[in-house]
Amino acid sequence: DVKVTQSSRYLVKRTGEKVFLECVQDMDHENMFWYRQDPGLGLRLIYFSYDVKMKEKGDIPEGYSVSREKKERFSLILESASTNQTSMYLCASSPAGTGGETEAFFGQGTRLTVV
Amino acid sequence: LAKTTQPISMDSYEGQEVNITCSHNNIATNDYITWYQQFPSQGPRFIIQGYKTKVTNEVASLFIPADRKSSTLSLPRVSLSDTAVYYCLVGSPEDGYSTLTFGKGTMLLVSP
Repeated sequence: DVKVTQSSRYLVKRTGEKVFLECVQDMDHENMFWYRQDPGLGLRLIYFSYDVKMKEKGDIPEGYSVSREKKERFSLILESASTNQTSMYLCASSPAGTGGETEAFFGQGTRLTVV
Repeated sequence: LAKTTQPISMDSYEGQEVNITCSHNNIATNDYITWYQQFPSQGPRFIIQGYKTKVTNEVASLFIPADRKSSTLSLPRVSLSDTAVYYCLVGSPEDGYSTLTFGKGTMLLVSP
């Protein structure tokens, strides 16, 4: 079974802290994604990566950065956490397109509360 | 990227067939149509994917007309456990679906 594992299910951090959210996948997927999900807003893409050390901004990258030093691990970094970053964060991975069908696999999510 | 439009919510009863339609007027030639399901406090889960005509698996069927400007997810004989949010996405495997863009989805509520 494909597994995408997020390091924490729940996190509480203080305003101004530097926060690391870790995501690991075990299927050798090229693509990895970070989303946040808020009530009424659906899933919004923060950053994605299609290869080691490669990253692309998604729709809402402000206040976030990412790191992908190894293929299996994709980290989301909140440089200075703020209360408006309280949200559910979801990581996903998918194989690179080969001309056929493909699907993305999601982690269970990290519910981050910034106080 | 092609934008999708789907109903915000739908209601059904146990045992009924549910059809959720998604509009994607600007779908590109190489785009596939994919549906995901999400339960509360969980990540989305792949349901079905197709390019044209009809695709069926053990969970659902996906109907895609010839012009591919819309698609319909069909859930046969729903149960209470099918209560979830359903997302329709379009994207090309040739770019690795490198930007999976989710809309707000359709909240399906199944009642006894």
